[in-house]
Amino acid sequence: ETGVTQSPTHLIKTRGQQVTLRCSSQSGHNTVSWYQQALGQGPQFIFQYYREEENGRGNFPPRFSGLQFPNYSSELNVNALELDDSALYLCASSFQTDTQYFGPGTRLTVL
Amino acid sequence: KQEVTQIPAALSVPEGENLVLNCSFTDSAIYNLQWFRQDPGKGLTSLLLIQSSQREQTSGRLNASLDKSSGRSTLYIAASQPGDSATYLCAVSIPGNTGKLIFGQGTTLQVKP
Repeated sequence: ETGVTQSPTHLIKTRGQQVTLRCSSQSGHNTVSWYQQALGQGPQFIFQYYREEENGRGNFPPRFSGLQFPNYSSELNVNALELDDSALYLCASSFQTDTQYFGPGTRLTVL
Repeated sequence: KQEVTQIPAALSVPEGENLVLNCSFTDSAIYNLQWFRQDPGKGLTSLLLIQSSQREQTSGRLNASLDKSSGRSTLYIAASQPGDSATYLCAVSIPGNTGKLIFGQGTTLQVKP
């Protein structure tokens, strides 16, 4: 166990809806990164938050947005859901650029 | 653009066999390389991290090597066990954007009793 938690575990939404996923980082960590993992693929970097500011973004449209809170927990928000957004969403926490520790993920299904 | 490739995509071996998983990357300018294990539908567990200045790392039955000049890393698993069955992913981070991990597609390993 890494100490990184994510909620919910599973989620089912329909196209066009909005979703919020949550991540609690490991104690002492100030950086959170989010990844999307489609079935059978490696994770793809969405973005990273460091001290409540976005600190790097991957090739994802603006309808993917995030927040980091003063306690370093984080949210990933996805608007106007599409079928292709169905995936396992992983968050990882770290202290700055040190090793990233991953949570168990949230499985999102878009119907 | 950095790309990471893992071959083979799947591997099935009998218990007790020693095996090697391969990872290649297109740009040798990496910050570090990391190997992860992923059980079905679960998160990632870090196995080994090799800094760009290092050649290898060992943990128990696992040994990872890094050859930056050829853009390759291998994960060696000794005396494989059924409990080693999982997907193994390698990922690199790059200077100037070390928070972003670039992953390969993974190798799914099945160790048969």
